Amino acid sequence: DSGVTQTPKHLITATGQRVTLRCSPRSGDLSVYWYQQSLDQGLQFLIQYYNGEERAKGNILERFSAQQFPDLHSELNLSSLELGDSALYFCASSRTPGQGDEKLFFGSGTQLSVL
Amino acid sequence: GNSVTQMEGPVTLSEEAFLTINCTYTATGYPSLFWYVQYPGEGLQLLLKATKADDKGSNKGFEATYRKETTSFHLEKGSVQVSDSAVYFCALSDQGGANNLFFGTGTRLTVIP
Repeated sequence: DSGVTQTPKHLITATGQRVTLRCSPRSGDLSVYWYQQSLDQGLQFLIQYYNGEERAKGNILERFSAQQFPDLHSELNLSSLELGDSALYFCASSRTPGQGDEKLFFGSGTQLSVL
Repeated sequence: GNSVTQMEGPVTLSEEAFLTINCTYTATGYPSLFWYVQYPGEGLQLLLKATKADDKGSNKGFEATYRKETTSFHLEKGSVQVSDSAVYFCALSDQGGANNLFFGTGTRLTVIP
């Protein structure tokens, strides 16, 4: 058990809808990272928050947004969903902002299916 | 730019066979290199890492050596077990931090008794 909790584990929705994925980092970790894992594009970094502030942005679509709350949990909001958004979404956490060789702790993911 | 290329799977081996999963990278600086493992139904876990050239990372019988001259970080294990069945990801992080972690596409390993 990595200590990172993601909910829900599975989500099935329709095109055009909006969903929210939730992540609780390990106790004491201030950084939260979101990744998307799809069959055709592998594992891609979406966005990072550190202590409530956006720290880095990767390949995140404009239809997607995220935030980190004062209790350090994070939510990833996906809107106007398309079939191609179906993927496994991982959250990871670390203690510091990201220092090069830092170890990330991953949750078990939310499997999103857009029908 | 930064990228990681892994050998395509799936790889199926018999128990106690020798494992090699190839990984090569492209980076603009001097990255740190990682192998992550994803067991069925779980998130990724760090398996081993190496932070500079000629470093060898090792854990649970797995090894990988950071080869700058060939830009490679191949994963090896001398004798695989059924419990090693998982997806293995090679990754690199440049000096910008963990938010610049680039993953390969993953290699699925199945070990049969």
